[in-house]
Amino acid sequence: GENVEQHPSTLSVQEGDSAVIKCTYSDSASNYFPWYKQELGKGPQLIIDIRSNVGEKKDQRIAVTLNKTAKHFSLHITETQPEDSAVYFCAVSKLIFGQGTTLQVKP
Amino acid sequence: DAGVIQSPRHEVTEMGQEVTLRCKPISGHNSLFWYRQTMMRGLELLIYFNNNVPIDDSGMPEDRFSAKMPNASFSTLKIQPSEPRDSAVYFCASSPQAGGLGEQFFGPGTRLTVL
Repeated sequence: GENVEQHPSTLSVQEGDSAVIKCTYSDSASNYFPWYKQELGKGPQLIIDIRSNVGEKKDQRIAVTLNKTAKHFSLHITETQPEDSAVYFCAVSKLIFGQGTTLQVKP
Repeated sequence: DAGVIQSPRHEVTEMGQEVTLRCKPISGHNSLFWYRQTMMRGLELLIYFNNNVPIDDSGMPEDRFSAKMPNASFSTLKIQPSEPRDSAVYFCASSPQAGGLGEQFFGPGTRLTVL
């Protein structure tokens, strides 16, 4: 079945720095790749997604890149702020989620 | 819209008891998903419905778990009998698109503790 690997499991950056989280997947038929942010005590919330017909998508400080050949996609957060601190999950279209990355942005 | 509504928010029960979790999806969404989240296993899909019909229940751990969606505005997840290893946060999510191919809107979750 589909396998999704997410790295790193934890990431600590200084405010203003960039953060990158990467996911690899196994099923080449996957065609939808969302990223979710989960704050403490809340359900996950979609922050950005990408479909297999594009290689990159950007929304203000957040971007996602997709490499279908290598079967990996990455979340990029620039100019990080303390409110970006949360757990981030990647997912693929078969509703499989990565293990999560705890991002800590230090003021 | 109030978003996805789940009840109860917290449930503490004793081993062997029946537990029923409830979910009201966002109006107009035709897909509904139940997830379980634990530290050890992360976020796991249990079952999802499309137009009230169960499409994939391969994630349901065992026969003790059952889910129903009698109409477009209500779903239940039942555990009978409950066991301590069922302790987790259970999320319900809904989506206007089928099969997980679009944004899912998650509820606040139900934190279940089985003693």
